[in-house]
Amino acid sequence: KAGVTQTPRYLIKTRGQQVTLSCSPISGHRSVSWYQQTPGQGLQFLFEYFSETQRNKGNFPGRFSGRQFSNSRSEMNVSTLELGDSALYLCASSSLAGASTGELFFGEGSRLTVL
Amino acid sequence: GENVEQHPSTLSVQEGDSAVIKCTYSDSASNYFPWYKQELGKGPQLIIDIRSNVGEKKDQRIAVTLNKTAKHFSLHITETQPEDSAVYFCAASSGNNNAGNMLTFGGGTRLMVKP
Repeated sequence: KAGVTQTPRYLIKTRGQQVTLSCSPISGHRSVSWYQQTPGQGLQFLFEYFSETQRNKGNFPGRFSGRQFSNSRSEMNVSTLELGDSALYLCASSSLAGASTGELFFGEGSRLTVL
Repeated sequence: GENVEQHPSTLSVQEGDSAVIKCTYSDSASNYFPWYKQELGKGPQLIIDIRSNVGEKKDQRIAVTLNKTAKHFSLHITETQPEDSAVYFCAASSGNNNAGNMLTFGGGTRLMVKP
């Protein structure tokens, strides 16, 4: 079974630009979560999608957005990039359908550098 | 919201020794406590988890204990091996009906096992 696939793995952008990151969950998983990982703030929850609906959202500005498609693939977008957005963006999928939390399967991440 | 504190931030042990990492959480409603291991260049991977109706759980060389009254939980690794070297994260789920797969992570512990 293929794992969680994130693209691109690495990218460099300049301040003010926008970026779109893609995540393909494990086949059959309908929940996709996004986390931001930085040395200073650690792992922080961005948002979670389940069946194309945003189920939860973390404490990030509106520049961070996401969506999920009918095949469970997800994208996140960051507009008007700032230097502080440089981070590893991790996507995780889960098979749990209900409100109960379960094992998250993480991808290897997309490393974004903002210059 | 939930706040998770993790100690120590770095831990160096000799191969064969035991390692203990401790976490405290703030939200008494939290009911799910996973531990993730992150190796260099990879996404975090679940190694063990515990729910609030259980005080201890063991899986081979790894065990987790939970003290709900004190709101802390710990990871115990016995007979450490060089391949245990990685960054370990504890996490908690807020436990409300809409928690979904939203986790609050601790700051991480870099474990180094010296051969």
